[in-house]
Amino acid sequence: AQSVTQLDSHVSVSEGTPVLLRCNYSSSYSPSLFWYVQHPNKGLQLLLKYTSAATLVKGINGFEAEFKKSETSFHLTKPSAHMSDAAEYFCVVSVDTGGFKTIFGAGTRLFVKA
Amino acid sequence: GAVVSQHPSRVICKSGTSVKIECRSLDFQATTMFWYRQFPKQSLMLMATSNEGSKATYEQGVEKDKFLINHASLTLSTLTVTSAHPEDSSFYICSARDGGTGINYGYTFGSGTRLTVV
Repeated sequence: AQSVTQLDSHVSVSEGTPVLLRCNYSSSYSPSLFWYVQHPNKGLQLLLKYTSAATLVKGINGFEAEFKKSETSFHLTKPSAHMSDAAEYFCVVSVDTGGFKTIFGAGTRLFVKA
Repeated sequence: GAVVSQHPSRVICKSGTSVKIECRSLDFQATTMFWYRQFPKQSLMLMATSNEGSKATYEQGVEKDKFLINHASLTLSTLTVTSAHPEDSSFYICSARDGGTGINYGYTFGSGTRLTVV
């Protein structure tokens, strides 16, 4: 079975400080991993994705994530938070097990303090 | 916690027929519903956003006459794929925003529908 766990429901950082949003996954198959951001009343926006190429993935808006197979993790980081980064972030796993399946993490709400 | 029930989970239909996918919010009122589609190993693509009681807003390139979205109540939104073709075969998933205000809101995803058009 596949699963995704976002370890923090809420994360609060000060503007200019690093961001770390944690995601662990479980999959019996080679997964594709995604991070999406969702601002209020907007649809999901893709930040980055891992599909078995380089393990360090760079995304938009300065975000990056590292796929660590040994730790089954795909944590999202950003060196310096901006106020505009305040939003909901979702870690998503997709696997093709002869039937394509997508599993969402529960989401992490990022607060950025001035 | 909030639950969105999406049905059917899998459907196979013949080319030219229509298929309806339902998303129900079971314990909250979904003021806004998002509909996405996803191809294998690709990211989710937002198709449309619907607010209860009003017409859906479609993303550029999405045919609104082909993908009919109805959000007639605060607990039910439907996506109908009309005159389906094999290229419509995809994974469709809905997401609902609850009615919380300020920071007290959340998003919940349905479990998805795999549509295969033969």
